[in-house]
Amino acid sequence: QKEVEQDPGPLSVPEGAIVSLNCTYSNSAFQYFMWYRQYSRKGPELLMYTYSSGNKEDGRFTAQVDKSSKYISLFIRDSQPSDSATYLCASFPGGYNKLIFGAGTRLAVHP
Amino acid sequence: GAVVSQHPSRVICKSGTSVKIECRSLDFQATTMFWYRQFPKKSLMLMATSNEGSKATYEQGVEKDKFLINHASLTLSTLTVTSAHPEDSSFYICSARSFLRGRQWAFFGQGTRLTVV
Repeated sequence: QKEVEQDPGPLSVPEGAIVSLNCTYSNSAFQYFMWYRQYSRKGPELLMYTYSSGNKEDGRFTAQVDKSSKYISLFIRDSQPSDSATYLCASFPGGYNKLIFGAGTRLAVHP
Repeated sequence: GAVVSQHPSRVICKSGTSVKIECRSLDFQATTMFWYRQFPKKSLMLMATSNEGSKATYEQGVEKDKFLINHASLTLSTLTVTSAHPEDSSFYICSARSFLRGRQWAFFGQGTRLTVV
């Protein structure tokens, strides 16, 4: 079992839709959770950063963490074609050096 | 957000030559830098972890003599692909880890597309 599981998609939605991207993790030591957005042939860009259970909102993006069920989500409201990218969830386990990634979900928002 | 600059963004080299990729953290000190390789439509594959002033730790299956990593300062790490072959063609990405505001962060460079002909 991978430490971070993420459905690779692809996920195709119409413009304006609400998108839900999800990851599960197995290691209780994970403390910090990040969502990165990666456009084709570019490096990942940090979108959201959370470290406790609950919601964090930034514009059209909401990151949600549920540590009791080891579940993290990213919601995108009013999705735009420019949101078309691969979204990666990631975490630093406490005391570890490595950043652990999910497989990444490819999202396509069509006009 | 913090900026990580990776250079060059693209490089084409002849088989048998060596290529150096630089990764710089521009406005913060990176305690650790990571080097990844990414194949088309695949996730990032960690190649090695380097701490400033120490030898890099390579992931299983990564040839340390082929992928030389130097982390001479808290703001600069380099990856040298030695005696490059066409199968080394890939997208290489660096990431810098730092502790800011009491938490761990990881920021990525723009990536380098290496083509070996």
